[in-house]
This record gives sequence, C-alpha cells and structure tokens, in this order.
Amino acid sequence: KQEVTQIPAALSVPEGENLVLNCSFTDSAIYNLQWFRQDPGKGLTSLLLIQSSQREQTSGRLNASLDKSSGRSTLYIAASQPGDSATYLCAVQGRGSGTYKYIFGTGTRLKVLA
Amino acid sequence: DTAVSQTPKYLVTQMGNDKSIKCEQNLGHDTMYWYKQDSKKFLKIMFSYNNKELIINETVPNRFSPKSPDKAHLNLHINSLELGDSAVYFCASSQRWPEDGETQYFGPGTRLLVL
Repeated sequence: KQEVTQIPAALSVPEGENLVLNCSFTDSAIYNLQWFRQDPGKGLTSLLLIQSSQREQTSGRLNASLDKSSGRSTLYIAASQPGDSATYLCAVQGRGSGTYKYIFGTGTRLKVLA
Repeated sequence: DTAVSQTPKYLVTQMGNDKSIKCEQNLGHDTMYWYKQDSKKFLKIMFSYNNKELIINETVPNRFSPKSPDKAHLNLHINSLELGDSAVYFCASSQRWPEDGETQYFGPGTRLLVL
C-alpha cells in the first residue's frame, strides 16, 4: 500500500531564503508525482508534474526533483517570498492498484516572514 | 471564468439530513474527481469519473452517491449525514484519464459541518 510522507510538517523561514520541501513514498512503482499548493480556505493549484521517466521539472523559482529508486522527491523554492506562504502537498500516482489514483501526502505548511 | 466551481461553498446541517454538493468544470475535461480533506488536512480520493463512467470508488460508505449527468458536471449526494462526514470536499478535473499523468485542476472546496 502506497504511503506518502512529507517532512517537515511546518516550516517558517525569513524572506529571501532558499528552501527545500521533502516528500517520500513507499512504493517506487509510480506513474508520476505532482506538487500542489493550497492556500487557506482555497483549493489546490498544481505547481509541477514529474513523469516517472523524468528526474526534475522547473517552473520559475520552483524546481522539483524525483528519485524513484529511493522513493523521494524534493521541491526547491529559490528566494522565498511572503506570497509563497501556503501548504505544499505532493501526490503520487501509483501503478500498483491499476486505478491510476493519486495518493496525497499530509503537506508542509510554509510561512515566509517579511 | 472559474475553471472548476463548486456549490455551496459552506454547508452546515444537522445529523441525519440528506445534502448535495454540485461541481461543474468549463474546461472541456473528460475526467472528474471527488476528494475529501479531513480535519488533519489529509486529502483522499473518493470517486473518479471518466466520460461520465465511474472508474474509482474508494472505500466510501454507500451513503455517498456521485452522479454525473454530463461530462461537465459531477455532483455528490450524501444521505443520512453523520458527524464524521464533516470535512472539506474538493472536486477536481483533468483533461483525460491520467494514464500518463494529467494535471488536476481543483475547485475551491465545500466546507461541510455536520452538527
């Protein structure tokens, strides 16, 4: 059974810092991994999608890496800004069940201080 | 021009009542989903529909019944509401069935509180 864990659960950093959010999963048989952002009281916004054959994806100040063999992904945020404050969720789409469903992690609550 | 919309945004009701949540997407997507986010912020898939056909039905009580009248709509009806049903329910859509990975677009959520 696929389990997705995100560490740390919460993170508070001063503005301008580079930071790394971690996501680990127990079953390496995945189709892809997505990173989402959730703002308080809002829905989820997809940030980056990494296919199982890829090792990283970049969008602006965000860079996500994927190491399937070790069951890990990282989301790197460069030069953090107060507007980056949100909860970041990773989700993996597993091969095992054959249903292509996404399993979500519990999220990392990020606060960037001005 | 909301891509995925849900109504209502907030729903407060008594135990035992029956309620519905509606979802509409104007993206022309084939696939729609319902997720439940509990008080610990854990997000879990409930149902997935592809071209109006139910594909995924997780271990969800049969008090929950999804209905997809057309590809743009996926509604969720809940019978005999219980306290444990209190959560945020998110609707999402993707262009196709995610065999090769599809970006999912989420609605703003419906906050259900059962008293």
